Amino acid sequence: LAKTTQPISMDSYEGQEVNITCSHNNIATNDYITWYQQFPSQGPRFIIQGYKTKVTNEVASLFIPADRKSSTLSLPRVSLSDTAVYYCLVGASGSARQLTFGSGTQLTVLP
Amino acid sequence: DAGITQSPRHKVTETGTPVTLRCHQTENHRYMYWYRQDPGHGLRLIHYSYGVKDTDKGEVSDGYSVSRSKTEDFLLTLESATSSQTSVYFCAISDKRGVQETQYFGPGTRLLVL
Repeated sequence: LAKTTQPISMDSYEGQEVNITCSHNNIATNDYITWYQQFPSQGPRFIIQGYKTKVTNEVASLFIPADRKSSTLSLPRVSLSDTAVYYCLVGASGSARQLTFGSGTQLTVLP
Repeated sequence: DAGITQSPRHKVTETGTPVTLRCHQTENHRYMYWYRQDPGHGLRLIHYSYGVKDTDKGEVSDGYSVSRSKTEDFLLTLESATSSQTSVYFCAISDKRGVQETQYFGPGTRLLVL
């Protein structure tokens, strides 16, 4: 299972764009990169998933360079409600994929 | 949001007693997982299931057993609860679309073992 490394915490202000980078140097060929968001006392919530280049959905963008050894979650114009822990995971699809959660990044959005 | 419920949502029990947590899904997903989350840690996989009656161990399976007799239900049993099993337990189900697979999590069960 690929190990991920991400910053422990980040602070931002409302309305700013936030970029959280995750490194995964030993990512395997079949691995996808997935980001989850977790609020206190709730289960993690899927944000975005990608394999290479750029993926965008209604809440975030995911940038993956050609070597795939890192990825960046981009949250446009954050609000106070985006304060949460963000987890980066890598893993292959297939039978009962096991996700390895690291400690995540605590994002705090300030007014 | 995926239809996942967990019961009970909160439980207090005593050391040495058996405890069963239930995860129920309405999505007909094949894969189901049990995780625990402790302060300062990410989620750690306890057991998972890839079909009815098909289960396997995760990273922290000691002291836990699981059963899956129906697609929609995945039970986690603490055979003899210990204080070290005080934690928040999350169930997840897996949605496989083509080669991509995404896990969706339930609301969690907060367990206190005294």
